[in-house]
Amino acid sequence: DGGITQSPKYLFRKEGQNVTLSCEQNLNHDAMYWYRQDPGQGLRLIYYSQIVNDFQKGDIAEGYSVSREKKESFPLTVTSAQKNPTAFYLCASKAGFAKNIQYFGAGTRLSVL
Amino acid sequence: KNEVEQSPQNLTAQEGEFITINCSYSVGISALHWLQQHPGGGIVSLFMLSSGKKKHGRLIATINIQEKHSSLHITASHPRDSAVYICAVSYPDKLIFGTGTRLQVFP
Repeated sequence: DGGITQSPKYLFRKEGQNVTLSCEQNLNHDAMYWYRQDPGQGLRLIYYSQIVNDFQKGDIAEGYSVSREKKESFPLTVTSAQKNPTAFYLCASKAGFAKNIQYFGAGTRLSVL
Repeated sequence: KNEVEQSPQNLTAQEGEFITINCSYSVGISALHWLQQHPGGGIVSLFMLSSGKKKHGRLIATINIQEKHSSLHITASHPRDSAVYICAVSYPDKLIFGTGTRLQVFP
């Protein structure tokens, strides 16, 4: 079945540590997105990528980094510079940048130890 | 003021009741989306609307472009409808999300 796979489902980060969240899609979609969800707030865009080897900052990119070396993969690294990383992280993709429907993964819940 | 406002924030209902969730937005958009987020966190796209009305099973979504308002209706609600329902609006290059409406349907 086609879809978006996020791993791990739960992740714990120690102070000063970088952690990487995985997002893989087999939908052959060009565009991929990372969102952060906090209680009582709407999803906020961290980074997005329209095409391989290209990505753009979203509204809350500070403390995060991404890469897009392959069409199907868009990993997100939460660096030690992100001082409040505890949140639910969602990856999404869509067929093309001009297309409207985004497909979401199941999410990764990150907590700080 | 948020660009996308949803109401109510929380909603409880008895099985079989008719449910309405509202979404208002403040700027011109290319499309409006209704999404469903289950307790485990995964999100499913329910509808994408740019005008009029769409129906899928017991779910109905309407949009009034002039009033910048959309509603999601659930007829004959069921406990499995319990979830967070999120409204999002499309701009050319991104989605802007509402904070969601948490719905609980009791047997």
